[in-house]
Amino acid sequence: DTAVSQTPKYLVTQMGNDKSIKCEQNLGHDTMYWYKQDSKKFLKIMFSYNNKELIINETVPNRFSPKSPDKAHLNLHINSLELGDSAVYFCASSQPTGLPAGNTEAFFGQGTRLTVV
Amino acid sequence: GQNIDQPTEMTATEGAIVQINCTYQTSGFNGLFWYQQHAGEAPTFLSYNVLDGLEEKGRFSSFLSRSKGYSYLLLKELQMKDSASYLCAVRDLAGGSYIPTFGRGTSLIVHP
Repeated sequence: DTAVSQTPKYLVTQMGNDKSIKCEQNLGHDTMYWYKQDSKKFLKIMFSYNNKELIINETVPNRFSPKSPDKAHLNLHINSLELGDSAVYFCASSQPTGLPAGNTEAFFGQGTRLTVV
Repeated sequence: GQNIDQPTEMTATEGAIVQINCTYQTSGFNGLFWYQQHAGEAPTFLSYNVLDGLEEKGRFSSFLSRSKGYSYLLLKELQMKDSASYLCAVRDLAGGSYIPTFGRGTSLIVHP
């Protein structure tokens, strides 16, 4: 039983296309995230959703849009893909990060390797 | 935001002990995490520190000094499978966000 699952695992597409990556968690967590990991392995937060409300957006281009139909799902839609979007995208979930001094460890999906050609 | 600094790469011998350091600068520190990431896989949680001192969990221990903005991850009795990237992540409430920010990771190579 996979705790955080995302699909597809690999995605190869041409510049200018629109694509989506799906993510689901069965941990009952209230907070979900999308991270981007570049070729230098730097893991950077893109979005975080808490109870279907966006609580952070780290200056990500508006070509990227998170969509959360319910608290167990957070999908990532990308419009007009560019070469620089090639990276590994990780979905993650945790307990609400608002808990003071709480251990809100994040559980990560297996990642989606996006290659834009 | 935070400045999180950790060495890019370290090497060690199987059976030895290695210490991976992480320094950070925050205005509202609220916790530090260590994650392990094997090549081509997802990061997995190792440890969490919010108070000063040492947290021990099997072969892995993590230390925190809030006054110094410093943490380290200590790996004992190194095994070949410990070859991986180790990510330090800091939660800073100053910006109104509870989301941990990751450092660039330390690639550990364990050789026989």
